[in-house]
Amino acid sequence: QKEVEQNSGPLSVPEGAIASLNCTYSDRVSQSFFWYRQYSGKSPELIMSIYSNGDKEDGRFTAQLNKASQYVSLLIRDSQPSDSATYLCAVNTYSGGGADGLTFGKGTHLIIQP
Amino acid sequence: SQTIHQWPATLVQPVGSPLSLECTVEGTSNPNLYWYRQAAGRGLQLLFYSVGIGQISSEVPQNLSASRPQDRQFILSSKKLLLSDSGFYLCAWARSPPNYGYTFGSGTRLTVV
Repeated sequence: QKEVEQNSGPLSVPEGAIASLNCTYSDRVSQSFFWYRQYSGKSPELIMSIYSNGDKEDGRFTAQLNKASQYVSLLIRDSQPSDSATYLCAVNTYSGGGADGLTFGKGTHLIIQP
Repeated sequence: SQTIHQWPATLVQPVGSPLSLECTVEGTSNPNLYWYRQAAGRGLQLLFYSVGIGQISSEVPQNLSASRPQDRQFILSSKKLLLSDSGFYLCAWARSPPNYGYTFGSGTRLTVV
């Protein structure tokens, strides 16, 4: 059974610091990796995707992937109070046999302290 | 560009009443479509997915059903709601194959009383 694990938090980070969110996954053939941000009462919003080992930067966000360790992380630099949300890690192991490619973690609740 | 519409935004229904939630996608054809439920403080639970018109796969046995009468329309239904059906219902679409993530609709907050 495919599993995606995240620390539920809350993770409390002071404003301006780097927030580091981690995720591990169980299926070694996973191909694509995503980070979603979900504000309270809202739907998840895709903020980062990563497909190859290494780092991918987009503004203040950096996604890091290590397939050998089955580990993906999200770094948020210069954290702002508006970054306070739940961050969901999702892993795609689509094999062509069906539509259900994404497996979601339960999310990490991030709090940025002003 | 692609957009996904989901309605209603909130719904309060009595136990035993029927349910119909609708989701439509614009700007793409033959999308993969999904219904998820998120209970308070819980993760996303996949309920149904569809790869085409009339093709529905169920992930969780329950008193809910789904239909896809048109390529870009996905409907979640129930004949008789239970208290346990309360939650945040999310529709999502993805390209086929879904290698680029899902895009979620704005969700429906359902409270069964």
